[in-house]
Amino acid sequence: GQQLNQSPQSMFIQEGEDVSMNCTSSSIFNTWLWYKQDPGEGPVLLIALYKAGELTSNGRLTAQFGITRKDSFLNISASIPSDVGIYFCAGTIQGAQKLVFGQGTRLTINP
Amino acid sequence: NAGVTQTPKFQVLKTGQSMTLQCAQDMNHEYMSWYRQDPGMGLRLIHYSVGAGITDQGEVPNGYNVSRSTTEDFPLRLLSAAPSQTSVYFCASRRPGQTYEQYFGPGTRLTVT
Repeated sequence: GQQLNQSPQSMFIQEGEDVSMNCTSSSIFNTWLWYKQDPGEGPVLLIALYKAGELTSNGRLTAQFGITRKDSFLNISASIPSDVGIYFCAGTIQGAQKLVFGQGTRLTINP
Repeated sequence: NAGVTQTPKFQVLKTGQSMTLQCAQDMNHEYMSWYRQDPGMGLRLIHYSVGAGITDQGEVPNGYNVSRSTTEDFPLRLLSAAPSQTSVYFCASRRPGQTYEQYFGPGTRLTVT
């Protein structure tokens, strides 16, 4: 069953606004990954996190591996129209090798 | 590198028909996986392979078969298509080791009527 809770499920924002989304679980994770999916395409890796407390940036995107190892956050600063899409968190649970995915956050930007 | 490629892009099947979804990668990745994506469900693992000749079941394997005769190819077979298998299918690959950074193909949109 679903082991990751991703929120919010959808966001409607104005261009230029900052965006925050997160994933939480009752399980301890060894890895957190954040993907973006454009319409009609496969997910593309944005950021990978491997240590509790790790904070990593990729341009206007910043993601953090939560200290408890049960959550992760993705922030997008100064959103632009090309940020539209579905964002997925994914991770590997301690003791397992397979990736589990969140349900996704659909981001819509009003120009 | 072409990365991960999938064919076909779109497919319509009738209930009971069989078909094979093709997946290939040219990055010499040992790990390959098949996922299905349904609205509100995220990505769910169907089958995966840790190397040529080795496959294992994921979260939702029923109704699907896989084989891995080469490092490059990982086809997914639907033996007898059912409407519940209407979905978007993604193939992914990654390097061995602990990075878990998967690279996805463009997907196959399958409709079973």
